[in-house]
Amino acid sequence: NAGVTQTPKFRVLKTGQSMTLLCAQDMNHEYMYWYRQDPGMGLRLIHYSVGEGTTAKGEVPDGYNVSRLKKQNFLLGLESAAPSQTSVYFCASSPGGFGYREVGELFFGEGSRLTVL
Amino acid sequence: AQSVTQLDSQVPVFEEAPVELRCNYSSSVSVYLFWYVQYPNQGLQLLLKYLSGSTLVKGINGFEAEFNKSQTSFHLRKPSVHISDTAEYFCAVSRTGGSYIPTFGRGTSLIVHP
Repeated sequence: NAGVTQTPKFRVLKTGQSMTLLCAQDMNHEYMYWYRQDPGMGLRLIHYSVGEGTTAKGEVPDGYNVSRLKKQNFLLGLESAAPSQTSVYFCASSPGGFGYREVGELFFGEGSRLTVL
Repeated sequence: AQSVTQLDSQVPVFEEAPVELRCNYSSSVSVYLFWYVQYPNQGLQLLLKYLSGSTLVKGINGFEAEFNKSQTSFHLRKPSVHISDTAEYFCAVSRTGGSYIPTFGRGTSLIVHP
């Protein structure tokens, strides 16, 4: 079972370059999330989606854009990368909605390590 | 809005000793509570969760947690740790209604020494 797959796993960018992180899930989950993890800061929510075609801002959305054109995919874009965006990025998905046994439980990918020079 | 405080950033312990990782939350509404574990260079995985019912929740790998509503706490415990339990542990909370978007604590690094 693939679960949640993130690509690429590692990337080095120069300041000002753009890139897209791809997240794919094969569990038919409604909700998808992008987090960043920095030492001592825990996980901070960047953007999330509660269904195909919808997106919403999280705690730290500035400098990022997202799209959810297909239910199984959630893309995170950096239009002009900055050194402050050096981080490990995690995608997650969850069933969402009332009545699911797995309510609130997130399934995570293995992370994408991004370095911006 | 809800928030989560993990009181210890790092907890060193010797193998086979008991351990408690502390988590306190703040919320104006009812919540669901979770503990996740992150092994080195991996994503997070669910250890256990409290949705309703018994306040003592048992999870994988011998961990358990107790929901204390009056103290707004959800501390994680294990009676005897192993080297393999060395990892980062995250407490998370989400509202019982609405979109269930969870809020994570900053994490506690459990370091088990031989």
